[in-house]
Amino acid sequence: QKEVEQNSGPLSVPEGAIASLNCTYSDRGSQSFFWYRQYSGKSPELIMFIYSNGDKEDGRFTAQLNKASQYVSLLIRDSQPSDSATYLCAVNEDFGNEKLTFGTGTRLTIIP
Amino acid sequence: NAGVTQTPKFRILKIGQSMTLQCTQDMNHNYMYWYRQDPGMGLKLIYYSVGAGITDKGEVPNGYNVSRSTTEDFPLRLELAAPSQTSVYFCASNDRVDSGNTIYFGEGSWLTVV
Repeated sequence: QKEVEQNSGPLSVPEGAIASLNCTYSDRGSQSFFWYRQYSGKSPELIMFIYSNGDKEDGRFTAQLNKASQYVSLLIRDSQPSDSATYLCAVNEDFGNEKLTFGTGTRLTIIP
Repeated sequence: NAGVTQTPKFRILKIGQSMTLQCTQDMNHNYMYWYRQDPGMGLKLIYYSVGAGITDKGEVPNGYNVSRSTTEDFPLRLELAAPSQTSVYFCASNDRVDSGNTIYFGEGSWLTVV
């Protein structure tokens, strides 16, 4: 069974600091990787996706992928109180199949 | 822009009752999904559909049924509700051609079985 593992947290980070969220996955054949943000009582919203090894930056967010280590991370620079949410890592086994496997999420709290 | 619309938002069911969660999308997406999310957990795929007339089981299909008679609608049927089906249910859709890998989620349906 495919597994996606995340530290459930809570992770507390001071405002303005860098928040680092980590995710490991079990299926070595996984092709695409996603980070979703979910506020309490709301539906998930996509922050970033990454396919290739290395870093992908979008504003204050950077996704990092290491397929050899089966590891994907999300860095949030200049953390803001509005970044306080649960962050879900999701993995897709191939590009033609959109069945995502989600981790349990990491709860992030930004301390003002 | 309506996006993905789910109804009802909240529902309390008694054990053994049945109900249908409605989901409709107005983006002409081929792919539609039903996920459930238990407290403090990630989302688990119940059923999905790659187009009208085509459905397939996800990770946790037992106790549920779906149909996809049109591109827009993807209702989820709960037969003989059990307390284990107490959860938040999310319908979602996407179309890789138009939206890349963005999956659009509905606002969720909170279901309690007592």
